Amino acid sequence: QSALTQPASVSGSPGQSITISCTGTSSDVGGYNYVSWYQQHPGKAPKLMIYEVSNRPSGVSNRFSGSKSGNTASLTISGLQAEDEADYYCSSYTSSSPVVFGGGTKLTVL
Amino acid sequence: QVQLVQSGAEVKKPGASVKVSCKASGYTFTSYGISWVRQAPGQGLEWMGWISAYNGNTNYAQKLQGRVTMTTDTSTSTAYMELRSLRSDDTAVYYCARDVSFRVVTPVMDYWGQGTLVTVSS
Repeated sequence: QSALTQPASVSGSPGQSITISCTGTSSDVGGYNYVSWYQQHPGKAPKLMIYEVSNRPSGVSNRFSGSKSGNTASLTISGLQAEDEADYYCSSYTSSSPVVFGGGTKLTVL
Repeated sequence: QVQLVQSGAEVKKPGASVKVSCKASGYTFTSYGISWVRQAPGQGLEWMGWISAYNGNTNYAQKLQGRVTMTTDTSTSTAYMELRSLRSDDTAVYYCARDVSFRVVTPVMDYWGQGTLVTVSS
């Protein structure tokens, strides 16, 4: 099962909004509303930020939001803050694997 | 509070086996699943497999079939992941994570262990 496709890096200035895309196929992202997003700071374990495309776990800032259109899911972070600088991974249920991760996106806050 | 505490770092020779433990606390162990995810140095996350803490059902990543075994001990709320025939490209940080479902695998892992570094080197 190939990893989902994410941009290697994105950047933004404090206060701005950024969007990270996660592209799959109709066998994963496009076929199920089971897309999650994880944040990982260096040397730390991943943290669940979004589940089932657009739901936020308790305690996650409402600056984080998720959406999906066709085979592409997106994570949007609004009001960018320095602490948001991290790696972000999408994950989806698939018809074969059954879980696959994206390759990860490094977010730099300028 | 929910905690997953993993065993310590391991150094193994090629061809050996490693068994990593993950002790859960702060929730009803059998009401959830446990997924295992690994991350090679400087690389992304790789899903390895899942086990239901309710009934022991497992689902492994195809590339690891035959080399990996996941088990649980409900008496101690501990999950285990054993990987055999280790190769240098198995060098990675191994994470356990709580899956919100004990019935089926989901990509929703809401609590994670601290990670266990496994180094495979001759």
